[in-house]
Amino acid sequence: GESVGLHLPTLSVQEGDNSIINCAYSNSASDYFIWYKQESGKGPQFIIDIRSNMDKRQGQRVTVLLNKTVKHLSLQIAATQPGDSAVYFCAEKVGGGSYIPTFGRGTSLIVHP
Amino acid sequence: NAGVTQTPKFQVLKTGQSMTLQCAQDMNHNSMYWYRQDPGMGLRLIYYSASEGTTDKGEVPNGYNVSRLNKREFSLRLESAAPSQTSVYFCASSQKPGTDNQPQHFGDGTRLSIL
Repeated sequence: GESVGLHLPTLSVQEGDNSIINCAYSNSASDYFIWYKQESGKGPQFIIDIRSNMDKRQGQRVTVLLNKTVKHLSLQIAATQPGDSAVYFCAEKVGGGSYIPTFGRGTSLIVHP
Repeated sequence: NAGVTQTPKFQVLKTGQSMTLQCAQDMNHNSMYWYRQDPGMGLRLIYYSASEGTTDKGEVPNGYNVSRLNKREFSLRLESAAPSQTSVYFCASSQKPGTDNQPQHFGDGTRLSIL
């Protein structure tokens, strides 16, 4: 079956830099995408979502970009802080009534002070 | 507002022992889910309950059973624990299935070791 994947397993940045975490998906029928943050010892925490009828969505310090042409999703974190250090997961949900998302393996973001 | 609460947080079992993991949510969500998370594997769905009174198998249901006790509670049972079931187990809930897309909300997990 088709699945969600991530380009980079680990991303190291300096405090204050902008971070970009990428995610590739292969199912063109996916209509809903979610980004989660998972800190050590905690469960995944919802960050932001985007529906397939949108290209961009902004939250507080985070922006998700969706490129349906190349089936690519990215999470941009502005002015990265040490508290942003975590594993970030993308998830996709296929349209047509399915409500079970498929999760990628995750990217570890390390922010150096 | 507690969200999704899982108990216990940690447990060590011997092979062959049984165990029930508890999950409760206070967000009035219709759907609930059980996942396991293993290193390098991401989240894998064990069972889910679209609504009170229904349960369905996910990707890795073998060795597990579930009970949707009421709208708030969804338990996961290991009848005869095996070392391969050593993992971190996450419960999640979401508003409702179908076309109204909503994200899942997760508990903080149960860390289970089978010796």
